Amino acid sequence: NAGVMQNPRHLVRRRGQEARLRCSPMKGHSHVYWYRQLPEEGLKFMVYLQKENIIDESGMPKERFSAEFPKEGPSILRIQQVVRGDSAAYFCASSPTPYLARDEQFFGPGTRLTVL
Amino acid sequence: DAKTTQPTSMDCAEGRAANLPCNHSTISGNEYVYWYRQIHSQGPQYIIHGLKNNETNEMASLIITEDRKSSTLILPHATLRDTAVYYCIVHMEYGNKLVFGAGTILRVKS
Repeated sequence: NAGVMQNPRHLVRRRGQEARLRCSPMKGHSHVYWYRQLPEEGLKFMVYLQKENIIDESGMPKERFSAEFPKEGPSILRIQQVVRGDSAAYFCASSPTPYLARDEQFFGPGTRLTVL
Repeated sequence: DAKTTQPTSMDCAEGRAANLPCNHSTISGNEYVYWYRQIHSQGPQYIIHGLKNNETNEMASLIITEDRKSSTLILPHATLRDTAVYYCIVHMEYGNKLVFGAGTILRVKS
């Protein structure tokens, strides 16, 4: 069973461009979480999705950021009109249920976004 | 979720036990203690969790005090590959997001 997969692993964008980050959860996992880690900082929760539904987006910036988890295919984190402050590592995690005490969150290797 | 306090950094000799403390004095009765670690630039990795009893798995042991206000993660025989940032997180059984603090930087030295 392959782990959580993220691509691309490294992404370079110029200011104003769009960035699309993909996350394929582990097989059988329908719960996906996105976290962001700014340079020299801890991980911050962004959004929680369960197939086709956004459950909690309390950590998402109000503008330019969106996320989806379609019925088929990977979860996508989309950043429009990127700015230098968006440069960070973006991690995706997945779990089969939202019960942390029973099913841990498995993290992917992350996508490192650099905005020039 | 309850706030946790961890030392900023710790050193440990290779082959010795690494004991990482965590204070969570405001933990409530239905909150668990979870430990994750992040090896340089990689995604976080689950280690162990517990409610009130001590727990052990193939990676580590978790000792929770009787009043549940603090806990200790024990890596019994630390290796160089255990060098990482260790996060202590307090969270309910059901939850949709992990709240990571600054963690403890553990450096295992030969």
